[in-house]
Amino acid sequence: SYVLTQSPSVSVAPGQTATITCGGNNIGGKAVHWYQQKSGQAPVLVILYDNERPSGIPDRFSGSNSGNTATLTITRVEVGDEADYYCQVWDGRGNHPVFGGGTPLTVL
Amino acid sequence: QINLKESGPTLVKPTQTLTLTCTFSGFSFTTSGVTVAWVRQPPGKALEWLALLYWDDDRHYNPSLEARLTITKDTAKRQVVLTMTNMDPVDTARYFCAYRPPGGGNAFHVWGQGTVVTVSS
Repeated sequence: SYVLTQSPSVSVAPGQTATITCGGNNIGGKAVHWYQQKSGQAPVLVILYDNERPSGIPDRFSGSNSGNTATLTITRVEVGDEADYYCQVWDGRGNHPVFGGGTPLTVL
Repeated sequence: QINLKESGPTLVKPTQTLTLTCTFSGFSFTTSGVTVAWVRQPPGKALEWLALLYWDDDRHYNPSLEARLTITKDTAKRQVVLTMTNMDPVDTARYFCAYRPPGGGNAFHVWGQGTVVTVSS
C-alpha cells in the first residue's frame, strides 16, 4: 500500500512563510491534495491537483509536486492558519484514498 | 450548496455493532461519478479512510477493516450508512463522511462535521 510521510511539525511567526512537505515514492506522478483541519473541526480542502485552489481559498496557499516530494506553501502566515495539514493521493492499485500522517502548523 | 451531516450513537459497548448515517443534500447519488467516503480520526491521530461508495453502487473498503464494514445508500432518503461490527475501544474516533464530486479529481471537496463515537463498557 502506498505510504505518505509528512514533516512532523512546522512553526512559523505571523507574516512568515510555512512549508509543509509530503513524501511518497514517485509522488510527482500522482495528483496531491491538501486539507486544513483546525482543532475540533472537519478537514477543509485547500489545494487539489497539486496546486489548484478551490473557491474561497486565499492565494497565500499554493502547492507543488515533483519527484518524491509534494509541498504545501503558505505565505504571509496568519494566526488563523494554525491547524493540522494533511496531504492525500489516490492509490490507483487499490482504488482508494491515502492520507499522510498530518503536520501541525503552529503560528508563534 | 452541498452539505453532509453524520449521525449515530455517541457511545457503544465493546463487541456491539455501530451504525452511522450520513445525510446529504445538494447532490444526487444518481449522478455519474459521485462518491461518498467514510473517514475516521482517533483522538490526536491522523485521518484513516474506511469505505467508499460510488454512484453505481460499487464499494471499496479499507482492507484492514473490510471484514467488519458495510456501506450502503438510500437514494430516496439521501443517506449513506456505514455499519461496523465488533466494536473495540481502539475504534473510538470522530467519524466523518466526505463527498467527492464528478470531475473533481480524487479529492474530497466537502466534509461533514463528524460524529464522535466512544467505545467503552
